[in-house]
Amino acid sequence: QAVVTQEPSLTVSPGGTVTLTCGSSTGAVTSGHYPYWFQQKPGQAPRTLIYDTSNKHSWTPARFSGSLLGGKAALTLSGAQPEDEAEYYCLLSYSGALVVFGGGTKLTVL
Amino acid sequence: QVQLVQSGSELKKPGASVKVSCKASGYTFTSYAMNWVRQAPGQGLEWMGWINTNTGNPTYAQGFTGRFVFSLDTSVSTAYLQISSLKAEDTAVYYCASPTWDWGQGTLVTVSS
Repeated sequence: QAVVTQEPSLTVSPGGTVTLTCGSSTGAVTSGHYPYWFQQKPGQAPRTLIYDTSNKHSWTPARFSGSLLGGKAALTLSGAQPEDEAEYYCLLSYSGALVVFGGGTKLTVL
Repeated sequence: QVQLVQSGSELKKPGASVKVSCKASGYTFTSYAMNWVRQAPGQGLEWMGWINTNTGNPTYAQGFTGRFVFSLDTSVSTAYLQISSLKAEDTAVYYCASPTWDWGQGTLVTVSS
């Protein structure tokens, strides 16, 4: 089974920019992995921020964007706000309709 | 709008079974797969598998075969997760998610003697 890797933790200053990445043990992440990004705050269910690499839901703040970067999926936060402090998970889809979550990135806004 | 409403928290003894429900609304239930996700205390998200809501055919991820069963009642747009022979390590929040990874609120299953 594929392993999906994320940075365990990152820190960003208020108003700053940070990029979270999502890699695959099978090789480069492509649009064919249909990368998703989820935000989860303590005690809450996850919420989808980005789907299919770069598409946003209506509730996704404009400061979040998704892309492919250096063979990985990436989530960039530009202009971090205190309320962005959360755990972020990526998800990749593989052939055979299998799905794997990354281990999550704990983002601190400090 | 899409809503996934899950059943309430459960406290079970080791060896017992539990059935978690997930009632969908706001979209055509049989047009999208239903995913199930486990989150153990303090841990990350773990994909358990999915069920084809059109055919009822389930796909289980590694580690979720045998004691875990996905099922449906399409007449009430509801998906179910049943776990048998519960163990302490099954203690977790279980989420359903569909159609494009919209999430239920989660169901806490606690297994303790």
